[in-house]
Amino acid sequence: SQTIHQWPATLVQPVGSPLSLECTVEGTSNPNLYWYRQAAGRGLQLLFYSIGIDQISSEVPQNLSASRPQDRQFILSSKKLLLSDSGFYLCAWSYSNQPQHFGDGTRLSIL
Amino acid sequence: AQKITQTQPGMFVQEKEAVTLDCTYDTSDQSYGLFWYKQPSSGEMIFLIYQGSYDEQNATEGRYSLNFQKARKSANLVISASQLGDSAMYFCAMRLNSGGSNYKLTFGKGTLLTVNP
Repeated sequence: SQTIHQWPATLVQPVGSPLSLECTVEGTSNPNLYWYRQAAGRGLQLLFYSIGIDQISSEVPQNLSASRPQDRQFILSSKKLLLSDSGFYLCAWSYSNQPQHFGDGTRLSIL
Repeated sequence: AQKITQTQPGMFVQEKEAVTLDCTYDTSDQSYGLFWYKQPSSGEMIFLIYQGSYDEQNATEGRYSLNFQKARKSANLVISASQLGDSAMYFCAMRLNSGGSNYKLTFGKGTLLTVNP
């Protein structure tokens, strides 16, 4: 069966520091991968999606970037974090037109 | 652009009763899919149920059913025999099938369901 792993579960970072969140999927090949952000008490906002290695599409202009160095690995990065980057980050995968399945998320707090 | 509206920020239901969570959507596409997800306080998003725009019958998954009214563009989630563990945020989402192979989801803002004992 397929599983998705996200880490770290929680992260506290100072303003201006770099960021790297990692997501990996097991048990499937060539999945679609997604990064979402959820602000407190809000719905999910799609940040990036990828349909293959090195094929990344950005949905929202921001100081975040995403990379997919391997088929089942999706990384969310920033060179300099802003206060507004605080939130709950969720990685998801789907295969073809099947429902998306989510990781457990990362709670990011910026101080 | 597609839009999902969930007009109930919060809902309360007594244990063992049924509850309906509302969802309306807006799109000019004819082919799309509608999803419901549950988010407990721990944060993970759990897929509950799916309805395709061309499906003639309403989707059901155990205690969950989707009341799909295409002409009204509504896709309400019905939870029967509520349990305390059903207390969570519930999100409605839509995917356009014309968007190529990316299968992006657009989410509503969610409804916080509280089940009372």
